[in-house]
Amino acid sequence: QQQVKQSPQSLIVQKGGIPIINCAYENTAFDYFPWYQQFPGKGPALLIAIRPDVSEKKEGRFTISFNKSAKQFSLHIMDSQPGDSATYFCAALRGGSEKLVFGKGTKLTVNP
Amino acid sequence: DAGITQSPRYKITETGRQVTLMCHQTWSHSYMFWYRQDLGHGLRLIYYSAAADITDKGEVPDGYVVSRSKTENFPLTLESATRSQTSVYFCASSDWTGIGYEQYFGPGTRLTVT
Repeated sequence: QQQVKQSPQSLIVQKGGIPIINCAYENTAFDYFPWYQQFPGKGPALLIAIRPDVSEKKEGRFTISFNKSAKQFSLHIMDSQPGDSATYFCAALRGGSEKLVFGKGTKLTVNP
Repeated sequence: DAGITQSPRYKITETGRQVTLMCHQTWSHSYMFWYRQDLGHGLRLIYYSAAADITDKGEVPDGYVVSRSKTENFPLTLESATRSQTSVYFCASSDWTGIGYEQYFGPGTRLTVT
């Protein structure tokens, strides 16, 4: 049973575009929602994270939007650059646990 | 400050052989994890450990064995490798960030079973 559903699987945008990656969850016990970024040949690394008591969090060009009632959250990348080309994973964590539940990932390609 | 290291980085082995993937962290984080990454499946948790001598199964534990005698090391052993275990394996440890637990991943081991 996939607890965090991520879409799309792949995404191609032009430089300067705003790619949006969406995730949905069912378990209301989740209370921490991070996004990880993975470049080819590297391990994933934390990009940005949010807790459900806020609806939006921005760090630089990256924004998480969180909709608690819909149990959905999304990653927006403003003014995307070719260097943002990577695989992005959303994840969720249940309170009291250190075991992340990952989405299946989105491969983003930003064309010059 | 090396963080998390994995060895070997690349390994080719034959079906039926035993192979051990090593993971070492320099932070003394309590929790450590092993994942496998395959196209279309994302990151799947194999085993995790809450502390030395405490381990538990993840989503796909069959065919794998772990041990953790020291906090800093968390080796993963494939007792009798199969072609379906060809994958990229990532080790991770986690630490509190102030709002949640961040997992720190190693560089990965690419394993090919022929």
